Amino acid sequence: EAQVTQNPRYLITVTGKKLTVTCSQNMNHEYMSWYRQDPGLGLRQIYYSMNVEVTDKGDVPEGYKVSRKEKRNFPLILESPSPNQTSLYFCASNSRAGTWETQYFGPGTRLLVL
Amino acid sequence: AQSVTQPDIHITVSEGASLELRCNYSYGATPYLFWYVQSPGQGLQLLLKYFSGDTLVQGIKGFEAEFKRSQSSFNLRKPSVHWSDAAEYFCAVDLYNTDKLIFGTGTRLQVFP
Repeated sequence: EAQVTQNPRYLITVTGKKLTVTCSQNMNHEYMSWYRQDPGLGLRQIYYSMNVEVTDKGDVPEGYKVSRKEKRNFPLILESPSPNQTSLYFCASNSRAGTWETQYFGPGTRLLVL
Repeated sequence: AQSVTQPDIHITVSEGASLELRCNYSYGATPYLFWYVQSPGQGLQLLLKYFSGDTLVQGIKGFEAEFKRSQSSFNLRKPSVHWSDAAEYFCAVDLYNTDKLIFGTGTRLQVFP
């Protein structure tokens, strides 16, 4: 089954404690991205990756890092989380940039930073 | 500023009533246009898309949307809403030269029996 998986689904942490949210897809997609969803703001793109070792900033990259060492994985790293990063995070993948009709979203990770 | 606007934050309709969710964009050219649905606790699912051609597009779950260039709008419609349609709906645009999908702020739909 084609899918995007994220872990963990729920996370409570404290300010400054480094965390990583994993994202994995099984469709051999080239393009992957991370979004955060906040009430009244919709989804905003954090980072995206066009392919292995190719990443770029989205609209709200501050406070986040990503890496793309393998095609299937695209982890999101918060080196020093702060309360304003409390949000719902979605990973997504599509076959390549611009093929939005083939985009799959993960189930989401709800993060609370105290 | 370039943007995607969904003017209705929250809409409530009765089951069986018709539905129209509004979406406006402000870009120089006509972008590719999309509607997504997010059911509670779920990721986003693509309902329909417009690239070119016929301005009335059909999607899944009985939804349709009409592109109106003169109004820079891409409104989502359904003739008869079902309780299972209660969800959040997002309009999105693809700008040709940016490899990014830009989302509107969403409209939450509540359906009463």
